[in-house]
Amino acid sequence: DAGVIQSPRHEVTEMGQEVTLRCKPISGHDYLFWYRQTMMRGLELLIYFNNNVPIDDSGMPEDRFSAKMPNASFSTLKIQPSEPRDSAVYFCATRASGEETQYFGPGTRLLVL
Amino acid sequence: AQSVAQPEDQVNVAEGNPLTVKCTYSVSGNPYLFWYVQYPNRGLQFLLKYITGDNLVKGSYGFEAEFNKSQTSFHLKKPSALVSDSALYFCAVRMSGGYQKVTFGIGTKLQVIP
Repeated sequence: DAGVIQSPRHEVTEMGQEVTLRCKPISGHDYLFWYRQTMMRGLELLIYFNNNVPIDDSGMPEDRFSAKMPNASFSTLKIQPSEPRDSAVYFCATRASGEETQYFGPGTRLLVL
Repeated sequence: AQSVAQPEDQVNVAEGNPLTVKCTYSVSGNPYLFWYVQYPNRGLQFLLKYITGDNLVKGSYGFEAEFNKSQTSFHLKKPSALVSDSALYFCAVRMSGGYQKVTFGIGTKLQVIP
């Protein structure tokens, strides 16, 4: 298996633009987590899905952030409009039911100018 | 509520010496505890976990951790550090049961000096 796949790996955009981050989970993993990593706040859970259903989105910072999981093979995290304070590394992680180990993707490094 | 504290921003150790990276936690009920490692420009990689059973847990790359319930600690250890162990280490916790959210510590940078 190729592991968790995230795209793009790097994104540079201007304030006010829409940003879409993508994640392909490991096949068979039915939990998917979106995290944001910054120097100041460390690793924060934004939202997680179970069987494509959002379970806890209490970590989503504002209405500008939204996440979807239309099927078991794909999830998106969208920021609209983006702001400079959204600059961070965004990770997708997945795991299987009955397992505790999360598998992280390589991350998307977002810079909002 | 659940939380993790990693009191050291950075730990420096000489190659070949034993290393310890500290972690304390707070959780309601029984904890599930984890250590992950992050190398530069990479995602986090799982090292080891404590779910139940033996308090001493062995993981990847020669690392181990000891669950101490009375001190609410889960320190990461290795008998002999390698330069290649230099990385960012994260302790994490979640409550046992149905709640699936894992809370990560802020991370400790381990620097192994040749």
